[in-house]
Amino acid sequence: DAGVTQSPTHLIKTRGQQVTLRCSPKSGHDTVSWYQQALGQGPQFIFQYYEEEERQRGNFPDRFSGHQFPNYSSELNVNALLLGDSALYLCASSLTDPSPETQYFGPGTRLLVL
Amino acid sequence: SQQGEEDPQALSIQEGENATMNCSYKTSINNLQWYRQNSGRGLVHLILIRSNEREKHSGRLRVTLDTSKKSSSLLITASRAADTASYFCATDSNDYKLSFGAGTTVTVRA
Repeated sequence: DAGVTQSPTHLIKTRGQQVTLRCSPKSGHDTVSWYQQALGQGPQFIFQYYEEEERQRGNFPDRFSGHQFPNYSSELNVNALLLGDSALYLCASSLTDPSPETQYFGPGTRLLVL
Repeated sequence: SQQGEEDPQALSIQEGENATMNCSYKTSINNLQWYRQNSGRGLVHLILIRSNEREKHSGRLRVTLDTSKKSSSLLITASRAADTASYFCATDSNDYKLSFGAGTTVTVRA
């Protein structure tokens, strides 16, 4: 049973560029959440996707957007990259029915913005 | 802002000793979960305790929850070198997201 997978593992971009990160949820899971983890900090919730729609959003600007596909996989897009966007981006999947509880995390994508 | 606060920030113990870390949070919760993270990689789920539970065990892990004090503790017994990691508490306030603290870094010395 494959767990949560993310690609790429590492990425280097320059300020102003755009980036797309990808996530495949654990088999059978229908909900995908994205988190940003800065160095030395805990993960911060970006948003959650369910039934191909953004269900909840954390305190992140509109430069951060996402998408969920019919197969439940998801993408995180960040436009106009800033140095402060350098972080580990974590995807987590869960099963909404009966209720979303444990979220299973992928290995993350480490983004460096120069 | 983060919901949870772990204490201590860092912990260094000898192999075989017990490690205890605490988590405090601010708002009412549906459940509280503990995760482990090795070397800045993905988080591994350790244990979930619901708001109506007071204590839970899983192998060498023991978690307590005191909702009146809005606090939880994680005890790792008979620590091993492989337990070296960062440990995070995460609260679920029934609004879909998990809110994490800044974590406790545990180092187990051989």
